[in-house]
Amino acid sequence: AQKITQTQPGMFVQEKEAVTLDCTYDTSDQSYGLFWYKQPSSGEMIFLIYQGSYDEQNATEGRYSLNFQKARKSANLVISASQLGDSAMYFCAMREASSNTGKLIFGQGTTLQVKP
Amino acid sequence: GAGVSQTPSNKVTEKGKYVELRCDPISGHTALYWYRQSLGQGPEFLIYFQGTGAADDSGLPNDRFFAVRPEGSVSTLKIQRTERGDSAVYLCASSLGVGSSYNEQFFGPGTRLTVL
Repeated sequence: AQKITQTQPGMFVQEKEAVTLDCTYDTSDQSYGLFWYKQPSSGEMIFLIYQGSYDEQNATEGRYSLNFQKARKSANLVISASQLGDSAMYFCAMREASSNTGKLIFGQGTTLQVKP
Repeated sequence: GAGVSQTPSNKVTEKGKYVELRCDPISGHTALYWYRQSLGQGPEFLIYFQGTGAADDSGLPNDRFFAVRPEGSVSTLKIQRTERGDSAVYLCASSLGVGSSYNEQFFGPGTRLTVL
């Protein structure tokens, strides 16, 4: 079974509007972390935001926020006031505490295109 | 400060040849990870080092793949008898440790391997 599911292969958003990228996860661990990374066409993976499973508040980092719904096992990324430079591939990833290694399990990604 | 570096940035080889991919992590980072990213997919975990030892090599696809980190810093991923299916971007990441559920991994720019 897929541990991280990103159901939107591609998304479009108008510049300055907000967009939500979906991510659902599957784990039996009580302790885990959820990450979002951005990968522009240049290829580097850029860390955006982190949410711990025990964090009671949704994480926010500037224009990025994470809509964490633990009971639904979803961790959607919200980008507010989209900019042209936000056009990239976005990956949701999970780290399970039981792995003891810190390895990340990634979803298949969502390509975001910001229109001027 | 310097980030994670990987060399070469591109490697083209012929089927059946041997290749070595190098990763230089951020100074002081004890944890080092290798991931493989096929076209249009999310990265997939290959191997994790804590210091000099390979603590988890469960992601290596077969015994043609091997990695070392002899002095606990630079790591080399070695692929023997390359196959066309090995073509992918190989990403290296490092982090300070594995102690908590939050542990940001810093990624290198990747090595794009093409097997003809």
